[in-house]
Amino acid sequence: NAGVMQNPRHLVRRRGQEARLRCSPMKGHSHVYWYRQLPEEGLKFMVYLQKENIIDESGMPKERFSAEFPKEGPSILRIQQVVRGDSAAYFCASSPPGTGGEQYFGPGTRLTVT
Amino acid sequence: QQQVKQSPQSLIVQKGGISIINCAYENTAFDYFPWYQQFPGKGPALLIAIRPDVSEKKEGRFTISFNKSAKQFSLHIMDSQPGDSATYFCAASRTGGGNKLTFGTGTQLKVEL
Repeated sequence: NAGVMQNPRHLVRRRGQEARLRCSPMKGHSHVYWYRQLPEEGLKFMVYLQKENIIDESGMPKERFSAEFPKEGPSILRIQQVVRGDSAAYFCASSPPGTGGEQYFGPGTRLTVT
Repeated sequence: QQQVKQSPQSLIVQKGGISIINCAYENTAFDYFPWYQQFPGKGPALLIAIRPDVSEKKEGRFTISFNKSAKQFSLHIMDSQPGDSATYFCAASRTGGGNKLTFGTGTQLKVEL
């Protein structure tokens, strides 16, 4: 059973470009969470999605950031008009339905904005 | 407002010793407390987790101690090995709150020979 997959693993964007980060949850998992880790800091919750629904986006910046988890295909975290402060590691985690909280993380996408 | 406080920030332990990392939380609605291990360049890996209905949980060399009244929990790594050198994060979540994890700031553990 493959783990959570994220791609790309590394992404370099110039200021003002768009970044698209993809996450494929573990097989059988229908819940997806995105977290951001700034250098030398812990992980911060961004958004929680189920198939075709955003359940909780309380950690998402109000502008430039969006997320989706379509019926088919991976979850996408989209950052428009990136700025240097967006440089971070972005992690996706998944959990199966009906659990009490176990989340399994992917390897992350390291975004560098130049 | 930081809801989960973790200490120490860094820790050096001799091989074979006991590593102890502490966390304190504020939100009494939290009901799930996992620990994650992260190696450089990798994603966090779920190590062990506990719920408030028990005061201790042990899995191999890893033990969580939980004190509900003090709102504190800790990770003990027995017989620490150089391969345990990593960053450890405590976290907490609330079942009714979508299970989003609130993380501590992490502890860098180094186990020396």
